[in-house]
Amino acid sequence: DGGITQSPKYLFRKEGQNVTLSCEQNLNHDAMYWYRQDPGQGLRLIYYSQIVNDFQKGDIAEGYSVSREKKESFPLTVTSAQKNPTAFYLCASSPGTEAFFGQGTRLTVV
Amino acid sequence: AQSVAQPEDQVNVAEGNPLTVKCTYSVSGNPYLFWYVQYPNRGLQFLLKYITGDNLVKGSYGFEAEFNKSQTSFHLKKPSALVSDSALYFCAVRDGGPSNTGKLIFGQGTTLQVKP
Repeated sequence: DGGITQSPKYLFRKEGQNVTLSCEQNLNHDAMYWYRQDPGQGLRLIYYSQIVNDFQKGDIAEGYSVSREKKESFPLTVTSAQKNPTAFYLCASSPGTEAFFGQGTRLTVV
Repeated sequence: AQSVAQPEDQVNVAEGNPLTVKCTYSVSGNPYLFWYVQYPNRGLQFLLKYITGDNLVKGSYGFEAEFNKSQTSFHLKKPSALVSDSALYFCAVRDGGPSNTGKLIFGQGTTLQVKP
């Protein structure tokens, strides 16, 4: 079954904790993206990667980190430096034109 | 810099009537344009894209979009709305020219409400 898998679907973080959101794709796409979605603000780009072992900051990278050690995987770490991490996080991959999205991870700070 | 604007937060239409969801864009090179739909607590689903060619693009679920270079617009349309079309719609753009950074930029989203 091809596609993009994000896990977990729901994640709860305590203050001061780092958490890592998983994103795996078996579509053989080079490019991968992480977006944050807040109500009324649409999607904002956190990080993106066009090739393995390379990634660039998006518009709201502060408090986040990523790695791209494998073509299939692009995990996002939400660090304690991110002061307002409660949001819906979406991962996407692209063969070069349109992007295909996972089902999202809803992160809540408790 | 690339940008996308969706001027309407919400569009309301009656079932069976035509619908239009507006989008304007700004890129430095040739635009690659996209429409996506999102249902509650789900990821985005791809509807259609414009890369080059005919200005009228047909996509999934009976949707189409018209590319207008002079007005830098890419409005989403459907001749006859269904209640099941009610969702959040996003327009997106990437720069397809020599300065292509690979970034895909989204508009703020427009909520479409189709009433029976």
